[in-house]
Amino acid sequence: EVQLVESGGGLVQPGGSLRLSCAASGLTFSTYWMHWVRQAPGKGLVSVSGIKNDGISTFYADSVKGRFVISRDNAKNTLYLQMNSLRAEDTAVYYCATGFSSAHWGQGTLVTVSS
Amino acid sequence: DVVMTQSPLSLPVTLGQPASISCRSSQSLVFSDGNTYLNWFRERPGQSPRRLLSKVSNRDSGVPDRISGSGSGTDFTLKISRVEADDVGFYYCMQGTHWPYTFGQGTKLEIK
Repeated sequence: EVQLVESGGGLVQPGGSLRLSCAASGLTFSTYWMHWVRQAPGKGLVSVSGIKNDGISTFYADSVKGRFVISRDNAKNTLYLQMNSLRAEDTAVYYCATGFSSAHWGQGTLVTVSS
Repeated sequence: DVVMTQSPLSLPVTLGQPASISCRSSQSLVFSDGNTYLNWFRERPGQSPRRLLSKVSNRDSGVPDRISGSGSGTDFTLKISRVEADDVGFYYCMQGTHWPYTFGQGTKLEIK
């Protein structure tokens, strides 16, 4: 059974940083493109960052470019999202999901940016 | 970025009646490998999104054949032939052809 388990969310002040992790099991992680999707309260789904299976090519939504960094460790079957200079508008549930077909999703981790 | 436009955004349906959601993209979703990476998801409160259809029309395991997908290029449709209570939720289309991946705004399906 495929499992994606996010962790690292929490309450952080504006301007602060958080690092999200997504631990994968039940799939050959190194063959999957991955992305992070967020959902602000009462809003829709937005893909904020993605990474190819080799970890070299990445993409970022304009709203997070220059502040967020996606990475992965295929040896540890883990995806990361380093979030810096956080703003109130980054408050959301963050999901990791397998890439372009997004068959598998984690349960999500809540990030709240507030003073 | 590719803009995905869904309609309607609210869809009240009587049990047993059909339902249809449109999803249009601002660019063709045909990838260089010939595939069209257009997916449909349903989300329920407190749950992660669940994929229903991939590559326009491929049903995921456990998805009833009442739910179908069609379309090509920039114009896609999800259809439910006979709505049941279990179909309630938010439906999203998503394109996985172009980076960044983008979602439609979501359609809320509810029972009238």
